[in-house]
Amino acid sequence: GAVVSQHPSRVICKSGTSVKIECRSLDFQATTMFWYRQFPKQSLMLMATSNEGSKATYEQGVEKDKFLINHASLTLSTLTVTSAHPEDSSFYICSARETVYTEAFFGQGTRLTVV
Amino acid sequence: RKEVEQDPGPFNVPEGATVAFNCTYSNSASQSFFWYRQDCRKEPKLLMSVYSSGNEDGRFTAQLNRASQYISLLIRDSKLSDSATYLCVVSLNNFNKFYFGSGTKLNVKP
Repeated sequence: GAVVSQHPSRVICKSGTSVKIECRSLDFQATTMFWYRQFPKQSLMLMATSNEGSKATYEQGVEKDKFLINHASLTLSTLTVTSAHPEDSSFYICSARETVYTEAFFGQGTRLTVV
Repeated sequence: RKEVEQDPGPFNVPEGATVAFNCTYSNSASQSFFWYRQDCRKEPKLLMSVYSSGNEDGRFTAQLNRASQYISLLIRDSKLSDSATYLCVVSLNNFNKFYFGSGTKLNVKP
């Protein structure tokens, strides 16, 4: 079946540095990718929706200058957490779908710890 | 108000039991409904879509009640492997945004 690969699975970074997370669709072309954040014992919160070749649409309360999303190709989207702070520590998950009518598949998630 | 609300549980049941989860959604324009399963520290995986007429997949039955704006998931003959968190997911009519409930944790005990 379709697979979405997310990398890295875990990252620890120092406060003030930037971290890039990659999300790849391995056997389909993802016209749309979604980025979520999940804090412990909470639901997945949609951060932004990105369509290939266009700017991402951010949810209310998500800073677009802090969470840079690039969807330059049909198989790759990246999320860069800039100037990370300890409160950015969370589980970040991407999902991708081929069309609006097809299932969205999830990446394995990235556990970010900012120290 | 949250878009999707679920009882967080946990539901602790013995093997072989039948267990049901409900989920309510706030936006009456919601068109698509799903149940996802998430194991600890793993990504969510689609368990089943929920259709207006209700649908069944083996031991799992999903129902939709549009008038009351809730969906349900029934698991019969629970297995140890059913232990997980079950996420209720709702999408508006353009499939563009998926709203997740906080999940209901199920523990199936021997």
